[in-house]
Amino acid sequence: EAQVTQNPRYLITVTGKKLTVTCSQNMNHEYMSWYRQDPGLGLRQIYYSMNVEVTDKGDVPEGYKVSRKEKRNFPLILESPSPNQTSLYFCASSRNVVSPYEQYFGPGTRLTVT
Amino acid sequence: GENVEQHPSTLSVQEGDSAVIKCTYSDSASNYFPWYKQELGKRPQLIIDIRSNVGEKKDQRIAVTLNKTAKHFSLHITETQPEDSAVYFCAASRTDSSYKLIFGSGTRLLVRP
Repeated sequence: EAQVTQNPRYLITVTGKKLTVTCSQNMNHEYMSWYRQDPGLGLRQIYYSMNVEVTDKGDVPEGYKVSRKEKRNFPLILESPSPNQTSLYFCASSRNVVSPYEQYFGPGTRLTVT
Repeated sequence: GENVEQHPSTLSVQEGDSAVIKCTYSDSASNYFPWYKQELGKRPQLIIDIRSNVGEKKDQRIAVTLNKTAKHFSLHITETQPEDSAVYFCAASRTDSSYKLIFGSGTRLLVRP
């Protein structure tokens, strides 16, 4: 089954404790992206990757890191989480950035930083 | 920077009526405009999209129109049903250089039975 998976689905952590949210897709997609969703703000792009070893900043990259060592995986790293990073995070992938462009979203990771 | 504004933030309609959600974008080079539906507690899913070389696209009860001159696009849902109740997001992107997908803030649609 074609899918995007994220782990963990729920995480409660404390300020400053490094964490990683994993994202994996089994569709051989080139393009992967991370978003955060906050009430009234919609989905905001954190980072995206057009292919292995190619990443770029989205609209809200501060406080986050990513890596793309393999095509299927795109982990999101919070080196020193802060309470303002409490949010719902979605990973997404698409075949490429030209056509078609449909992004398939993972199930989401709800992160709470206390 | 690039911006997408979406209105209204909430919309309540009677079952069977039509619903219209409007978005405006700031980057005139945007050339791809998808719409996503997010049901409560679930992930966003693409419902329809349109490219800048097309003015209108339909898929059964949903349609999207694009006015490049005015830089706005709209989602039209006809004969609404309770299962259409969800949050709808518009987005805009350019596929020539910057590959960011900029989302609107969302519209919560409630279809009353």
